[in-house]
Amino acid sequence: QVQLVESGGGLVKPGGSLRLSCAVSGFTFSDYYMSWIRQAPGKGLEWVSYISSSGGTIYYADSVKGRFTISRDNAKNSLYLQMNSLRAEDTAVYYCARQAWGGQGIDYWGQGTLVTVSS
Amino acid sequence: DIQMTQSPSSLSASVGDRVTITCRASHSINNWLAWYQQKPGKAPKLLIYKASSLESGVPSRFSGSGSGTEFTLTISSLQPDDFATYYCQQYNSFIYTFGQGTKLEIK
Repeated sequence: QVQLVESGGGLVKPGGSLRLSCAVSGFTFSDYYMSWIRQAPGKGLEWVSYISSSGGTIYYADSVKGRFTISRDNAKNSLYLQMNSLRAEDTAVYYCARQAWGGQGIDYWGQGTLVTVSS
Repeated sequence: DIQMTQSPSSLSASVGDRVTITCRASHSINNWLAWYQQKPGKAPKLLIYKASSLESGVPSRFSGSGSGTEFTLTISSLQPDDFATYYCQQYNSFIYTFGQGTKLEIK
């Protein structure tokens, strides 16, 4: 079955860095676009970034552009999010998610990993 | 960027009620809209894609409609398992955006 498992979250000081990973299984990773989506405590969902199946197309939300970098390693079935210059407002649960083919929405989500930015 | 506005932000209803949630886009998104259900402490679950297509395994009491800038999610007869928060999401532009959510509570 399809599984997405995030890791790498934790407590980091403002201005610090963190790298999130998402290990996937149960499907051909290299065939799918992937996204990172976050949710601040008690708040709504915020799309962060997505990457095409080959990694050649990438987009970011304005709130993270220039600070976050999405990448993938299709040989390792893994998605990454490098987060630099972290701010308190980046505190959230970060979800790794698979984009279904043909514009059919985001059909699988990981369980999320919590990132807390605090001094 | 395209802004998505959901209404209402919260809603109280009873088991068996018919409920409608609205999502408005700041620009036309054709039918590139999805609806998700989220329960506390859990990841969102896809309900509807392309505005009106039901995701596999989702009960038929859920339905979606609309195109352009105005969309609705309807639950025809609320069940106890349906009390949750619902989000719309547009994926017409390269920068995706979610609505702010509608919390559906038991009356």
